[in-house]
Amino acid sequence: SQTIHQWPATLVQPVGSPLSLECTVEGTSNPNLYWYRQAAGRGLQLLFYSVGIGQISSEVPQNLSASRPQDRQFILSSKKLLLSDSGFYLCAWRLTSGYEQYFGPGTRLTVT
Amino acid sequence: SQQGEEDPQALSIQEGENATMNCSYKTSINNLQWYRQNSGRGLVHLILIRSNEREKHSGRLRVTLDTSKKSSSLLITASRAADTASYFCATDGSGSARQLTFGSGTQLTVLP
Repeated sequence: SQTIHQWPATLVQPVGSPLSLECTVEGTSNPNLYWYRQAAGRGLQLLFYSVGIGQISSEVPQNLSASRPQDRQFILSSKKLLLSDSGFYLCAWRLTSGYEQYFGPGTRLTVT
Repeated sequence: SQQGEEDPQALSIQEGENATMNCSYKTSINNLQWYRQNSGRGLVHLILIRSNEREKHSGRLRVTLDTSKKSSSLLITASRAADTASYFCATDGSGSARQLTFGSGTQLTVLP
């Protein structure tokens, strides 16, 4: 069966520090991968998606970047965090032949 | 951007009652999906309804779709305290990676 992992679960970082969040999927090949951000009490905002290794599409201009160095690994990064980067970050995957997305447990990021 | 908008934003009912949540969207869709999120957790897929379907059932869930009104509803029958969660609709449009656009969600509280 397929499993998705995200780490860390929580993170407190000062403004101006770098960021690296990692997401890995097990039990499937060539999934579509997604990074979302969720503000408190709000819906999900799609940040990046990837249909293959090295293929990254950005949905909104921002202080963040994403990379997919391996088929089942998706990384969200920032060189210098802003206060507005605080939020709940969710990674998700989807079979290329399917419609449903499957979400990881999320990372709670607080920028102080 | 938030295409789907849920109504109501919050709903509180007694255990055993039915809960109805509504979702409106703006552009044409391939399908519409409903997800559930327990507090501080990732989202879980509940049900998908295709654009050519009008109603779908899954256990205690009933989803309707009216493409002429660009709206959908989720009915949870005989609610339980364990149904307490946020519920989101998500529309699947014509994106190459079948990107989902999420609504702002309905916070459902089921009182025992």
